[in-house]
Amino acid sequence: GENVEQHPSTLSVQEGDSAVIKCTYSDSASNYFPWYKQELGKGPQLIIDIRSNVGEKKDQRIAVTLNKTAKHFSLHITETQPEDSAVYFCAAKGAAGNKLTFGGGTRVLVKP
Amino acid sequence: DAMVIQNPRYQVTQFGKPVTLSCSQTLNHNVMYWYQQKSSQAPKLLFHYYDKDFNNEADTPDNFQSRRPNTSFCFLDIRSPGLGDAAMYLCATSRAGTGETQYFGPGTRLLVL
Repeated sequence: GENVEQHPSTLSVQEGDSAVIKCTYSDSASNYFPWYKQELGKGPQLIIDIRSNVGEKKDQRIAVTLNKTAKHFSLHITETQPEDSAVYFCAAKGAAGNKLTFGGGTRVLVKP
Repeated sequence: DAMVIQNPRYQVTQFGKPVTLSCSQTLNHNVMYWYQQKSSQAPKLLFHYYDKDFNNEADTPDNFQSRRPNTSFCFLDIRSPGLGDAAMYLCATSRAGTGETQYFGPGTRLLVL
């Protein structure tokens, strides 16, 4: 089955700096890659996603890149703010079925 | 606003006492999921419904059951909660066929005494 690895597990950045989280996946047939942000005591919230026919997608300060050949995708957050502090999960969905496979999560701390 | 709603947000039960968690959605999505999440870990899929078809994960204990009486509602039943079942339980929905995005509810935190 699909396996998703996420790095780093924790990330501390200074406010205004950029944050990058990387994920690799094992199933070359995976075709959908969402990123979720989870604040303490809340459910995961989708912040951006990318499909396998696209190499990059951007939404304001957040961008995701996908390298299908290398089977990895990354989340980039620019101009970080204290409210970006949360746990971020990447995920991958195979070509068949509805299930997502999640990475282990990255705890991001933005220091003011 | 269309959304995924979970009740209650916090649930306390006693060891071995059956408990039911509920999820409702106004998105009219045909797929509903139940996840278990323990602190600092990724959500772990327990099972999901594709319309009325129930799909159990191979490693989901028999202690966990689910019901989906209609499109909007889905329930998670824990027949005999153990201390190890204390966790956040997340419900999610998606629309199969037109997109894979899963939308999560706020979760129910279960405490087992």
